[in-house]
Amino acid sequence: DIQMTQSPASLSASLEEIVTITCQASQDIGNWLAWYQQKPGKSPQLLIYGATSLADGVPSRFSGSRSGTQYSLKISRLQVEDPGIYYCLQGYSAPFTFGSGTKLEIK
Amino acid sequence: QVTLKESGPGMLQPSKTLSLTCSFSGFSLSTSGMVVSWIRQPSGKSLEWLAAIDWDGDKYYNPSLKSRLTVSKDTSNTQVFLKITSVDIADTATYYCARSPGPPFDYWGQGVMVTVSS
Repeated sequence: DIQMTQSPASLSASLEEIVTITCQASQDIGNWLAWYQQKPGKSPQLLIYGATSLADGVPSRFSGSRSGTQYSLKISRLQVEDPGIYYCLQGYSAPFTFGSGTKLEIK
Repeated sequence: QVTLKESGPGMLQPSKTLSLTCSFSGFSLSTSGMVVSWIRQPSGKSLEWLAAIDWDGDKYYNPSLKSRLTVSKDTSNTQVFLKITSVDIADTATYYCARSPGPPFDYWGQGVMVTVSS
């Protein structure tokens, strides 16, 4: 199985601050990487797919990037509605695997 | 409008078989490239992909659970089912179904909580 190592496990940031979350894949997955946001009691919502493509309706302050097998999600200006748990997902090969999650809070 | 909704027993005893249904609308599973997956999440933990079935009826399973899983769909392509045999307390989780028309899992159901307890 492909392992996705996500960091940090938790993050506290101020409004308008830049936030970055990373996932390291255990092998080459190309651009088969997606990012999700999950709020308490809700299902995950797709933010980014194909490593860098913004999903429909997602604010442009969210962006994704790739450097080799390391993938990053950046929130350019943290907003009050952004807290939640963020997960990465590799869709390169089954079994598809998720990162362990990053809990984002407002400071 | 794409919607998916999971249904299940809520609670069942260890060693029993868990049967889940994913009912969806707004898309067709007969569309080339369409896939519906099952994913679960124990409380406070990350997500685990379990199984998938595609438009052509091909099935995919997580090897860690493959011997216990069966995924299927109905002939009208509006429902997908998952059976998990010999459930254990470790199978207690919220179970989601989600679709993949290309980008992975763009629409998810609300999830159904399943508790395994004697």
